[in-house]
Amino acid sequence: QKEVEQDPGPLSVPEGAIVSLNCTYSNSAFQYFMWYRQYSRKGPELLMYTYSSGNKEDGRFTAQVDKSSKYISLFIRDSQPSDSATYLCAMSDNNAGNMLTFGGGTRLMVKP
Amino acid sequence: DTEVTQTPKHLVMGMTNKKSLKCEQHMGHRAMYWYKQKAKKPPELMFVYSYEKLSINESVPSRFSPECPNSSLLNLHLHALQPEDSALYLCASSQDGHPQETQYFGPGTRLLVL
Repeated sequence: QKEVEQDPGPLSVPEGAIVSLNCTYSNSAFQYFMWYRQYSRKGPELLMYTYSSGNKEDGRFTAQVDKSSKYISLFIRDSQPSDSATYLCAMSDNNAGNMLTFGGGTRLMVKP
Repeated sequence: DTEVTQTPKHLVMGMTNKKSLKCEQHMGHRAMYWYKQKAKKPPELMFVYSYEKLSINESVPSRFSPECPNSSLLNLHLHALQPEDSALYLCASSQDGHPQETQYFGPGTRLLVL
């Protein structure tokens, strides 16, 4: 079993839909949770950063962390074709230094 | 400015060539990272430099040789690579290398080994 599981997709939605992307993890020590967006042939771009449990909102994006369920989510409201990309969750803990553990990425396609 | 730059953007090399990848950041970050990313896979950590010292080497073959000349620059020297080393090589940086820090990625160098 991988330490961080993420559905690879592809996830195809119409423009304007609400998108839900999720990751589950097994290491209860993870405390820092990130979502990166990666366009084809580009480097990952940080979208959201959350510490421990709770919600964080930034524009059309909302990140949720449920540590009791070892489950994190990224919601995208009013999705746009420009949101089409691969979304990577990543996490770290105080015992692993500065090493990130990535999920495998979910490929999202938003159709006009 | 949260920019990490990488050169070249693309590189094609033969198995006997020696080449170098370069990474630069001017955010005052003291931790810099090399990742390797194969198609449709997440980035895999290769090396971490913290305050210009190599702190993590994830069992990377010796044909990859990192170098950190100063706090803003990170190089990856390549020699005698194999075709399976073809991938996107990503550089990242963070403030001090602590787990709670955000890592900022560059656009990557797409490497093809023939």
